[in-house]
Amino acid sequence: EPEVTQTPSHQVTQMGQEVILRCVPISNHLYFYWYRQILGQKVEFLVSFYNNEISEKSEIFDDQFSVERPDGSNFTLKIRSTKLEDSAMYFCASSGQYFEQYFGPGTRLTVT
Amino acid sequence: GQQVMQIPQYQHVQEGEDFTTYCNSSTTLSNIQWYKQRPGGHPVFLIQLVKSGEVKKQKRLTFQFGEAKKNSSLHITATQTTDVGTYFCAGLDKGQAGTALIFGKGTTLSVSS
Repeated sequence: EPEVTQTPSHQVTQMGQEVILRCVPISNHLYFYWYRQILGQKVEFLVSFYNNEISEKSEIFDDQFSVERPDGSNFTLKIRSTKLEDSAMYFCASSGQYFEQYFGPGTRLTVT
Repeated sequence: GQQVMQIPQYQHVQEGEDFTTYCNSSTTLSNIQWYKQRPGGHPVFLIQLVKSGEVKKQKRLTFQFGEAKKNSSLHITATQTTDVGTYFCAGLDKGQAGTALIFGKGTTLSVSS
């Protein structure tokens, strides 16, 4: 069964550093998403991506964040200058035309 | 902005008892989705409801979408220990571009045998 994959599974970085989180969505899906989940809290929408551009973004997704689909398979989330409060689990998801979303296993980002 | 509220936050049941979680949105939804997240895991898609008043069943799970498309419920009959996890509802806001899923805070279910 096709699945979304994410790398790395855990990323530790120092405050102010740039990080890139990587995702490979399900191959025939059209929509791609990033979510974050702070430990013990709800899943929060960051951004959706369709047809090589951002479709929607939340208030959390400020100028420090960017997304890219550099080739036909990868989907990346970049955080330019990490802050302590960026520490969270980041989930990538993809969906087909009916918007049911399939989540990857997540990247745990720890900012020290 | 749109808010999705879910109650209860926690529920503990004995194995074999029923369980229900309720979801309410501040705005009319184009559809509602339900996800399950096991401890340490990622959200797993369970079902999507689109039509007003829709009811769908998956074995012991029954999902309902309200007539006004602002509320939903998930009912589990005769819980099993494998049902343990956090159940999230998530709504697609009717007024937006239709791609942002807004999650409720989830109901964490624990089951003792």
